[in-house]
Amino acid sequence: DTEVTQTPKHLVMGMTNKKSLKCEQHMGHRAMYWYKQKAKKPPELMFVYSYEKLSINESVPSRFSPECPNSSLLNLHLHALQPEDSALYLCASSSSEPFYNSPLHFGNGTRLTVT
Amino acid sequence: AQKITQTQPGMFVQEKEAVTLDCTYDTSDQSYGLFWYKQPSSGEMIFLIYQGSYDEQNATEGRYSLNFQKARKSANLVISASQLGDSAMYFCAMREGMIGSSNTGKLIFGQGTTLQVKP
Repeated sequence: DTEVTQTPKHLVMGMTNKKSLKCEQHMGHRAMYWYKQKAKKPPELMFVYSYEKLSINESVPSRFSPECPNSSLLNLHLHALQPEDSALYLCASSSSEPFYNSPLHFGNGTRLTVT
Repeated sequence: AQKITQTQPGMFVQEKEAVTLDCTYDTSDQSYGLFWYKQPSSGEMIFLIYQGSYDEQNATEGRYSLNFQKARKSANLVISASQLGDSAMYFCAMREGMIGSSNTGKLIFGQGTTLQVKP
């Protein structure tokens, strides 16, 4: 069983909707991540939170808004998405430092379809 | 800049045989880690095995082993005694950085290799 839990598992939303993806980890990790993955492609980093502060934003459009309410929770707020934003959204967590020997542990992902 | 290359888009292996998935990397950092992940069609990304740049012995985890050749900058995954449940996409990934460095610690993925195990 994964120790990083993502909800919902599937989400279908219209381009005018507002929705949120949720991620929770109970591994005591202080770094959390959002990745976007298109079919048959590697995951692409979107955001990194370290100690509940946003440390990396990979030039993600503002229609994606991350939030880290506490060390265990990570949200991704979605608004006015485009059909090309349809993808698998993966949340992950890891120990903060040193980076190089800390694997990321991923949740099962949310499959998002924008209609 | 760090880079991961997986040159095998797809591989087939007979059940119970061993298979090697290739991965080469490029980095100018001395401290880095190499990771392999498995992604079944259901989507979850499963961490399999880790090799650190300072590790002198190849990592092993059950049926998975990592053939680490530092001079060649390669980190191939070997799966022994393949099972039907091993059919999945496999990603090689790398992280750089340690305390005090300017690296951000991003996990960078290769393009992946789709493995199909034949009964």
